[in-house]
Amino acid sequence: GENVEQHPSTLSVQEGDSAVIKCTYSDSASNYFPWYKQELGKRPQLIIDIRSNVGEKKDQRIAVTLNKTAKHFSLHITETQPEDSAVYFCASREASGGSYIPTFGRGTSLIVHP
Amino acid sequence: ETGVTQSPTHLIKTRGQQVTLRCSSQSGHNTVSWYQQALGQGPQFIFQYYREEENGRGNFPPRFSGLQFPNYSSELNVNALELDDSALYLCASSFSSGDEQFFGPGTRLTVL
Repeated sequence: GENVEQHPSTLSVQEGDSAVIKCTYSDSASNYFPWYKQELGKRPQLIIDIRSNVGEKKDQRIAVTLNKTAKHFSLHITETQPEDSAVYFCASREASGGSYIPTFGRGTSLIVHP
Repeated sequence: ETGVTQSPTHLIKTRGQQVTLRCSSQSGHNTVSWYQQALGQGPQFIFQYYREEENGRGNFPPRFSGLQFPNYSSELNVNALELDDSALYLCASSFSSGDEQFFGPGTRLTVL
């Protein structure tokens, strides 16, 4: 089955700095890569996603890059703010017999210091 | 349009007992997926229901079972509870199997 590795497990930055979180996946059939933000005690929320036919996608301060050859994808947050503090999960999704089975990374706890 | 809801919010059970968790999908969504999220871990996919049929299953034993009803709400049943079943159980609904998922707030299950 798919294996998703996420690094780092904890990331501490100063407000205004950039943050980068990296994930690798194992299954070359995976074709959809979402990123979720989960604040303490709350539900995961999709913040950005990318499909395998695209190399980069940007939404304001957030961007995701995908390298299919190397099987890795990254989340980039620029001009970080204290409200960006949360746990971020990457996921990779493969299609298997008509169903879409996602595999999540273990999460990165991002702490943005004012 | 209402979001995904789950009940109950918290539950305490003892080993060997059985539990049923419930999920109401977002309006217009016909697909519900269930996840187990242990403390400090990412969500792990349990199974997905699409139009009342199981449509994919993760690496969970048969004592984890589910149902989806004609209104697309869903239940997760866990039999013979074990201590390691203590976790946050999340459901997520989507318009269809391959579409963006919207998560519910979760049910926190504690097994003593």
